[in-house]
Amino acid sequence: AQSVTQLDSQVPVFEEAPVELRCNYSSSVSVYLFWYVQYPNQGLQLLLKYLSGSTLVKGINGFEAEFNKSQTSFHLRKPSVHISDTAEYFCAVTRSGGYQKVTFGTGTKLQVIP
Amino acid sequence: ETGVTQSPTHLIKTRGQQVTLRCSSQSGHNTVSWYQQALGQGPQFIFQYYREEENGRGNFPPRFSGLQFPNYSSELNVNALELDDSALYLCASSSTGSTGTAEAFFGQGTRLTVV
Repeated sequence: AQSVTQLDSQVPVFEEAPVELRCNYSSSVSVYLFWYVQYPNQGLQLLLKYLSGSTLVKGINGFEAEFNKSQTSFHLRKPSVHISDTAEYFCAVTRSGGYQKVTFGTGTKLQVIP
Repeated sequence: ETGVTQSPTHLIKTRGQQVTLRCSSQSGHNTVSWYQQALGQGPQFIFQYYREEENGRGNFPPRFSGLQFPNYSSELNVNALELDDSALYLCASSSTGSTGTAEAFFGQGTRLTVV
């Protein structure tokens, strides 16, 4: 079984400042890792994914994440945030090779302050 | 816009009633997964359907059941509703082939309130 821990429930950051949202995972098998964003009263939108290969993954809206197998982490970063980035962000994991069950973290609310 | 549509968008039911939620998957996708997202929580996997058969189930009681139709659309049925069933129910559509299942696309969800 896999599990995900998002270390921060809320992250306030000023507009144009950098941000890092932290995610650690646990699994006894190889995994795929994802970051999703959820705007109020909306579904989930995929920001980026790590399946294999380069550990630095670039996604939409200027976000990127780095897979660190030794630290079992997959932190999300953006060098300069915008007001429109205010949303909830979910880290997720699934066993590699399939999407049968995706396990999500509890989410991090990113609040961008003007 | 993912092409995954869910209906209805909002629903209010009374404890003990039954509810059916619907999901139309994205064109070309043959796999549908359902998730429950309680307020302030991450989504929890309920089950997945592939080729009209249940293909994996999370830790949910049997009163949560589903169907997948030949056109790959899906229904989630919940019997004997409880107050704790109040949540956003998300449907995710994906394509399963010989190399496994590819990325899932989520619908906007159905907000169920049980009173």
